[in-house]
Amino acid sequence: GAGVSQSPSNKVTEKGKDVELRCDPISGHTALYWYRQSLGQGLEFLIYFQGNSAPDKSGLPSDRFSAERTGGSVSTLTIQRTQQEDSAVYLCASSPTRNSYEQYFGPGTRLTVT
Amino acid sequence: QKEVEQNSGPLSVPEGAIASLNCTYSDRVSQSFFWYRQYSGKSPELIMSIYSNGDKEDGRFTAQLNKASQYVSLLIRDSQPSDSATYLCAVKADSWGKLQFGAGTQVVVTP
Repeated sequence: GAGVSQSPSNKVTEKGKDVELRCDPISGHTALYWYRQSLGQGLEFLIYFQGNSAPDKSGLPSDRFSAERTGGSVSTLTIQRTQQEDSAVYLCASSPTRNSYEQYFGPGTRLTVT
Repeated sequence: QKEVEQNSGPLSVPEGAIASLNCTYSDRVSQSFFWYRQYSGKSPELIMSIYSNGDKEDGRFTAQLNKASQYVSLLIRDSQPSDSATYLCAVKADSWGKLQFGAGTQVVVTP
């Protein structure tokens, strides 16, 4: 079946612009996670959704970052007033239920802020 | 102290040999442990999960877990050049499934 999809695959934006990153999880997966991976760094948790609610947003690095999920499916991560330090690969993962152990990652969106 | 620690490598392994990767974690209540493989420029791919003490084998991969020592390892038998990648150890630290990742170990299999 289809895996997690993300769009765009690459995004180059100017400092100060807003960007939206999209994640479409595996069909039927109720849990959705956003992580980011900076060059040479490990994966950093950002936010988790169970259905449309986000029980934990503690990983979002600043109030310029926000995310929503509608219809229990597609999620959008928005970064306002982008900064160069926001440059990273943003990865989305989904899991069948909140307590399911395994998370499956999408291909990621590479964000470059110039 | 990082919550999930791995040797960064690179770990150079001759083709056909066994690659041994180690991971330690700090949160004693962690219950679920995973190994992901990440090729350069690609996203992580789940290759092994382990939840109980002992060994779990899947093809050429064996995961080993020792909760008392807070240690999890991955063995890759008969290493192939296609195994050259970064291997990420991940620990499920919360009931709702947030994963905490180590920085990864780069494995290079030489023909």
